[in-house]
Amino acid sequence: SAVISQKPSRDICQRGTSLTIQCQVDSQVTMMFWYRQQPGQSLTLIATANQGSEATYESGFVIDKFPISRPNLTFSTLTVSNMSPEDSSIYLCSVGLGTSVYNEQFFGPGTRLTVL
Amino acid sequence: AQRVTQPEKLLSVFKGAPVELKCNYSYSGSPELFWYVQYSRQRLQLLLRHISRESIKGFTADLNKGETSFHLKKPFAQEEDSAMYYCALHGSGNTGKLIFGQGTTLQVKP
Repeated sequence: SAVISQKPSRDICQRGTSLTIQCQVDSQVTMMFWYRQQPGQSLTLIATANQGSEATYESGFVIDKFPISRPNLTFSTLTVSNMSPEDSSIYLCSVGLGTSVYNEQFFGPGTRLTVL
Repeated sequence: AQRVTQPEKLLSVFKGAPVELKCNYSYSGSPELFWYVQYSRQRLQLLLRHISRESIKGFTADLNKGETSFHLKKPFAQEEDSAMYYCALHGSGNTGKLIFGQGTTLQVKP
């Protein structure tokens, strides 16, 4: 298994500002994912951040709005840029262990973001 | 389109009653399906996956390709089963992407 921590756990931000969320894993992993869970909604994948390659964004998400860094095999950041109230969500990172994309994913505790 | 549907937002049962949380999917090909659970104040975690054909905490789920369903069942609900349950599908394209259903809150009353 993997133990994942996220910082901050929650934040309240003003519109137009940016917030960077950190995801730290206790072991080296190739596959890292960033999800968003809007209020009352399900989890939606924002992007896949595999070390050694550029992040791959899902339809509806763009790098300018959600830049991602993946400097090594245990760490990643997601920035929510130029925030608006619609960005108020829980942001989660997850990791897949091993080399198969079909392995179980382990999730972080999430970052609860409120944009005023 | 690849999609997961959980028709019930809330399922409330009494302790000892049978439980069935419904999940239907839309996917062309052989699906990889999972049930994830989130207990109060805990993170999302895997409950079971169809490929393992295992029973976890008394829960089972059978893939029915004809009905495109992957319902989660337990014969006798316990209060500690109260949680949010998500059905998830591995998307195509060898990316590891998970497609989640809307989630069902299971409430087991004493």
